[in-house]
Amino acid sequence: EIVLTQSPATLSLSPGERATLSCRASQSISTDLAWYQQKPGQAPRLLIYTASSRFTGIPARFSGSGSGTDFTLTISTLEPEDFAVYYCLQRGKPRFGPGTKVDIK
Amino acid sequence: EVQLLESGGGLVQPGGSLRLSCAASGLTFSSCAMSWFRQAPGKGLEWVSSITGSGGSTYYADSVKGRFTISRDSSKSTMYLQMNSLRVEDTAVYYCAAEPRDRPIYYLDYWGQGTLVTVSS
Repeated sequence: EIVLTQSPATLSLSPGERATLSCRASQSISTDLAWYQQKPGQAPRLLIYTASSRFTGIPARFSGSGSGTDFTLTISTLEPEDFAVYYCLQRGKPRFGPGTKVDIK
Repeated sequence: EVQLLESGGGLVQPGGSLRLSCAASGLTFSSCAMSWFRQAPGKGLEWVSSITGSGGSTYYADSVKGRFTISRDSSKSTMYLQMNSLRVEDTAVYYCAAEPRDRPIYYLDYWGQGTLVTVSS
């Protein structure tokens, strides 16, 4: 059973700053990883698939990288609408990480 | 515009049953793998079940296997989740989601807004 861990649990930043979120898998998952964003009271939204491909309509400030066991979601310049919880998801038997909350400092 | 609309949630006693529906519009339903996810209050996301576009294959999380049944009716563009032997720990918002391929790979383009299931005596 593959387990995903995300760090940090909470990231407190100001608009305009850079956010770097980490997702680590307990064993190699190649690039079979997606990132989702969820705002309070809303459904998740797909941001990144196959570790580094941006989904349709997702702004260029979102980027994903990594392979194997270590993955990163980077938001280059935080906009007010980016404050949310971010989950990584591994394919196969799908499992989410516990999430990273990006909140306003 | 793609819309997924869940219904059927509510309050049920432990051991009871409930059937959730997910009505889809704006997409080619028979070409889409469909899935159910859930989120307990204040908790993270959990995959529950998936079904291929053809309906020929179904997949379940261990936590619901043997209790929940996923199905779809292409004539109604609707997916279902029959939930039996419900437990308190099944309490959650249940989301349906769709991806434009026959077999699920969990890059989910479309999501519904969720329906709340509360299991309590």
